[in-house]
Amino acid sequence: RKEVEQDPGPFNVPEGATVAFNCTYSNSASQSFFWYRQDCRKEPKLLMSVYSSGNEDGRFTAQLNRASQYISLLIRDSKLSDSATYLCVVPSGAGSYQLTFGKGTKLSVIP
Amino acid sequence: NAGVTQTPKFRILKIGQSMTLQCTQDMNHNYMYWYRQDPGMGLKLIYYSVGAGITDKGEVPNGYNVSRSTTEDFPLRLELAAPSQTSVYFCASSTAQGAYYEQYFGPGTRLTVT
Repeated sequence: RKEVEQDPGPFNVPEGATVAFNCTYSNSASQSFFWYRQDCRKEPKLLMSVYSSGNEDGRFTAQLNRASQYISLLIRDSKLSDSATYLCVVPSGAGSYQLTFGKGTKLSVIP
Repeated sequence: NAGVTQTPKFRILKIGQSMTLQCTQDMNHNYMYWYRQDPGMGLKLIYYSVGAGITDKGEVPNGYNVSRSTTEDFPLRLELAAPSQTSVYFCASSTAQGAYYEQYFGPGTRLTVT
């Protein structure tokens, strides 16, 4: 299994739709996980952290299944401004200060 | 609060030239990182530092060098630029929040080597 693997996308969804992204990871010792958002030609920015079974922030819900080494990100009521690439991020290396970034899943929300 | 700043924003180099990408953070973070991102690819770690005076190689260090003389600054040096180094370079910093380290990124430097 690759360190971090994401749905390849792209996802093209209408405004108001619910969309889910999946991510699998190989390091079973990982304790914290992140979803970052990257807009076109911009730097990645932290969207959500996931430390236990899940986390919810408004329209965004991240869920963690440690047994299956699987993370998901659910976006409800999609907005045009949600169009971006979503990166699944998992700690790696000897210390959790090192992160491995997935290649990302591109989302386009269509009017 | 400026966060992580990078200069220059854009640069075009000829093959064989050298340059330094600058990175500064004002959050007093101990950890700093350099990544490169090629089109359609994930971020690849070039070098990282866990504090002033301490640096270590990441996944793709060949062709690059770093130094960390202060907590704030973490410059990346390219010697003998090659077309394969055409990429977007991101600097990031982090600090421990409990047992977790959330990384904050600079705006990036777009480098083209021709």
